[in-house]
Amino acid sequence: EAGVAQSPRYKIIEKRQSVAFWCNPISGHATLYWYQQILGQGPKLLIQFQNNGVVDDSQLPKDRFSAERLKGVDSTLKIQPAKLEDSAVYLCASSRGRLVEPGELFFGEGSRLTVL
Amino acid sequence: AQSVAQPEDQVNVAEGNPLTVKCTYSVSGNPYLFWYVQYPNRGLQFLLKYITGDNLVKGSYGFEAEFNKSQTSFHLKKPSALVSDSALYFCAVRGAYSGAGSYQLTFGKGTKLSVIP
Repeated sequence: EAGVAQSPRYKIIEKRQSVAFWCNPISGHATLYWYQQILGQGPKLLIQFQNNGVVDDSQLPKDRFSAERLKGVDSTLKIQPAKLEDSAVYLCASSRGRLVEPGELFFGEGSRLTVL
Repeated sequence: AQSVAQPEDQVNVAEGNPLTVKCTYSVSGNPYLFWYVQYPNRGLQFLLKYITGDNLVKGSYGFEAEFNKSQTSFHLKKPSALVSDSALYFCAVRGAYSGAGSYQLTFGKGTKLSVIP
């Protein structure tokens, strides 16, 4: 089966500019996650969707970050305006989302953002 | 809230020697624990998980992990390291129910494993 697709793989922007990342999860996966991975740290959950509804966005900086998952399939994560500290790899992951199969997430290759 | 600690930033081991990557956790309720591996410029890949049952769980690529409830540890092990095992390894714990049939994972900061030829 096809894996989680993300684009773009790399993006360099100036601070205060905006950027958007796209994710297409594995077909049939109900749950979609966006993680932020800063160099030297583990992935930190930004937002979690179940189908097209938000399950958890408690760690999303809502003054500058937004995400949507229209029609419960692919998703877009936007940052506007970007700050230097947003430089990171943004990882998208998906899972079947059923209670009987906890924890096995399938990750995309990530989108590396550099803010200058 | 749940948390994971990986006390070593880097582990170096000679090829053919056994390896251990350490992980300790804190979570309320029964622990659900996971190991993921990340190769350079790639996303994370699932290695293995502990849900219940035997304290020694086996996963992909010859890796196994030992769950120790009294020490709240879940160390990753392999009897004989390969150069191709060199990567970044993340331990993760499943947290509380997020609602709508899903849970979230909390990851450690990662341990870089270098296997020396």
